[in-house]
Amino acid sequence: SQQGEEDPQALSIQEGENATMNCSYKTSINNLQWYRQNSGRGLVHLILIRSNEREKHSGRLRVTLDTSKKSSSLLITASRAADTASYFCATDLKGNTGKLIFGQGTTLQVKP
Amino acid sequence: GAVVSQHPSRVICKSGTSVKIECRSLDFQATTMFWYRQFPKQSLMLMATSNEGSKATYEQGVEKDKFLINHASLTLSTLTVTSAHPEDSSFYICSAASSLLSGDFTDTQYFGPGTRLTVL
Repeated sequence: SQQGEEDPQALSIQEGENATMNCSYKTSINNLQWYRQNSGRGLVHLILIRSNEREKHSGRLRVTLDTSKKSSSLLITASRAADTASYFCATDLKGNTGKLIFGQGTTLQVKP
Repeated sequence: GAVVSQHPSRVICKSGTSVKIECRSLDFQATTMFWYRQFPKQSLMLMATSNEGSKATYEQGVEKDKFLINHASLTLSTLTVTSAHPEDSSFYICSAASSLLSGDFTDTQYFGPGTRLTVL
């Protein structure tokens, strides 16, 4: 069964604005990862945050993790039209199975 | 980063036929490969975990006799959709992971580009 839920399901913003996506999960994790998927294409790994980390940055991306609330957020700053894609969080569950459980995803549209 | 390929990228077949999808790790040895299925506008659903040299572990609700998985080497896993039907039409994605000497998995999985299966 799906571990995570994401909101919003869809987000439409203007170029230059920031986009925030949220992810919630249900059980203990080793780490949480964010991926991007362009329509009909494979996944692109964006960033990984471990369960003992609270915040991580990579370029225009900022990810937070609150294990007490079992939630994470992905912030994309100064968005570009090329950021238009679906974004998924995926949790690597505790127990070191290596399995990733994906959230439902947020579809982001950045208008030029 | 590591590269994972899938072949074919697209396949169209008639109902009742079997289709084999290959997942290869090109520059590292993948002790474990995962197979996911993604229906249009939905998320990825884990189907099975494939370990080199042993039987695959299937997620609840996935028919192992319908989705045959073979992980014959550290660089190749295959998924065969047997007697495919239109409801099997989906985007199939594999990922490859390797375990450390300790037995723990490295953090990073590497995803293939996916295979679009259309069953007529």
